[in-house]
Amino acid sequence: ETGVTQTPRHLVMGMTNKKSLKCEQHLGHNAMYWYKQSAKKPLELMFVYSLEERVENNSVPSRFSPECPNSSHLFLHLHTLQPEDSALYLCASSQTGLNTEAFFGQGTRLTVV
Amino acid sequence: QKEVEQNSGPLSVPEGAIASLNCTYSDRVSQSFFWYRQYSGKSPELIMSIYSNGDKEDGRFTAQLNKASQYVSLLIRDSQPSDSATYLCAVNGISNFGNEKLTFGTGTRLTIIP
Repeated sequence: ETGVTQTPRHLVMGMTNKKSLKCEQHLGHNAMYWYKQSAKKPLELMFVYSLEERVENNSVPSRFSPECPNSSHLFLHLHTLQPEDSALYLCASSQTGLNTEAFFGQGTRLTVV
Repeated sequence: QKEVEQNSGPLSVPEGAIASLNCTYSDRVSQSFFWYRQYSGKSPELIMSIYSNGDKEDGRFTAQLNKASQYVSLLIRDSQPSDSATYLCAVNGISNFGNEKLTFGTGTRLTIIP
């Protein structure tokens, strides 16, 4: 139990589907992140929310839409994905400040068919 | 140039030996450095953090940081088969947007041979 919970753990979706990934943190942190991990690639930062405000969007396609309703919850809404979007999607949280550590959820293994 | 560079491996080390994992980074203003362990199919788990030059020891793990050389390493003493995993180096700095940004290397796959 890492204090960061992601659901679902596995998701298979068609290219025309709409689905959402959910992340919840119980660590009292004020920053949350979405990362994408594809095979043989480094973890790619997608979005950063600090104090519930989106502070970074790393040129992510609009078919990925984040939402942060409060400091404990983070969503990633998915629509009209492509097969190349299949990857492990990881949520993390931290307390803002350069010397703070990020803690990850278990991840959602997404397969787009 | 990659922002955080690691040798992808695989690195094979006999059980009981010392495993040495290396990482270099490009952003000179980076201030904090982390090592994560990731087992296959699992999420990254933080195992070490280091913020100042020198060595930091925690059990069988020692992190070493040299900011002048932009180099950080992880030593694992008395390696165990359970240490077999991918080790991710992460560096915290400031992004182009002026926010904190944690950048990861591709990871080094370590295999401990019984």
